[in-house]
Amino acid sequence: AQSVTQPDIHITVSEGASLELRCNYSYGATPYLFWYVQSPGQGLQLLLKYFSGDTLVQGIKGFEAEFKRSQSSFNLRKPSVHWSDAAEYFCAVVRHDKLIFGTGTRLQVFP
Amino acid sequence: DTGVSQDPRHKITKRGQNVTFRCDPISEHNRLYWYRQTLGQGPEFLTYFQNEAQLEKSRLLSDRFSAERPKGSFSTLEIQRTEQGDSAMYLCASSFDSGGRPTIYFGEGSWLTVV
Repeated sequence: AQSVTQPDIHITVSEGASLELRCNYSYGATPYLFWYVQSPGQGLQLLLKYFSGDTLVQGIKGFEAEFKRSQSSFNLRKPSVHWSDAAEYFCAVVRHDKLIFGTGTRLQVFP
Repeated sequence: DTGVSQDPRHKITKRGQNVTFRCDPISEHNRLYWYRQTLGQGPEFLTYFQNEAQLEKSRLLSDRFSAERPKGSFSTLEIQRTEQGDSAMYLCASSFDSGGRPTIYFGEGSWLTVV
């Protein structure tokens, strides 16, 4: 069955530290993968997407993600986290024209 | 590009009442989606439209829920005889059909509290 797993429910980092949020998917074909960010009480903002081609994709706000087929992963990274990055992050995969989401990772940033 | 717009942003209703949410997609987006999100969870798919045609409905969408998209523009999601379990954020999203590679943009959501 199609699924998206985000193993880390909650991550805490210090401002300026690097960040990696994990995402694993289970899907037989070439997946279309997305990362979204959600601030409290708000909708979802698209950070980046992967359809094909270069496996390292750049997104907004300094985020990037790397697609690794051998590991069925699409991890989100940022070299230096800012306090404003504190939010909930969702990985998602397209299946039959709709998004299937993981359960999210809550990022907390300490000054 | 004004983004996906949802109204109202917040709604408090008594159990048993009907509620309706409206979504205005990004102009020229022919696909429109409804998702539901409860606290601590990722969004769950409810239904989606291509133009005015409702192409798929989730098993989550009970008979009390109905969605329409007349003329393929805005959409409404109505919940009849609300229950406390309906309390959630209802998210609308839209995309342009691009051969199976949709980039889906979300609105700010409509919070429903059933008391």
